[in-house]
Amino acid sequence: DVKVTQSSRYLVKRTGEKVFLECVQDMDHENMFWYRQDPGLGLRLIYFSYDVKMKEKGDIPEGYSVSREKKERFSLILESASTNQTSMYLCASQELGGYNEQFFGPGTRLTVL
Amino acid sequence: QKEVEQDPGPLSVPEGAIVSLNCTYSNSAFQYFMWYRQYSRKGPELLMYTYSSGNKEDGRFTAQVDKSSKYISLFIRDSQPSDSATYLCALASNTGNQFYFGTGTSLTVIP
Repeated sequence: DVKVTQSSRYLVKRTGEKVFLECVQDMDHENMFWYRQDPGLGLRLIYFSYDVKMKEKGDIPEGYSVSREKKERFSLILESASTNQTSMYLCASQELGGYNEQFFGPGTRLTVL
Repeated sequence: QKEVEQDPGPLSVPEGAIVSLNCTYSNSAFQYFMWYRQYSRKGPELLMYTYSSGNKEDGRFTAQVDKSSKYISLFIRDSQPSDSATYLCALASNTGNQFYFGTGTSLTVIP
């Protein structure tokens, strides 16, 4: 079974802090994604990556950056957290090539005070 | 205009009812139509997907795609309390990599 794990289930940070969210997948998938999920807005794509050291902006990249130094690990970075970044953050992985299922991690509920 | 529109609900039905969940979309390039189920405090999991038009059945679940109307549906027969979750539709083009999600419909099945 594919397993996508996220470093924290719940996280509380203060405004202005640098925040790291980590995601690890164990199925050797090339594609990895970061979404945020908010009530009434659904899942919105922040960044995705098709390969190591490769990244593409999604629909809402402002205020975020990502890092993919190893194939299995995709990190989301909030350089200076703000209250409007309080959200559920979901990581997903997907095999490369045509249509393939995206497998999601359990999510990180981030609260920025 | 959003790529995908989905009624957020919430929807509350008695056990055994037939449930109908729907999404509309605007981009005719979408070819893959998916339904994800998300239990509380969990990540979404793929329930079923359909390629192009038509119906697909899996046990108590039926997915329908009407590309001419840009309308997709998920039907749940004989609904069970364990079906209580948020259901998200998701669409993808032929490249298949990037998914566009609806906002999700929250369903509660009352015993």
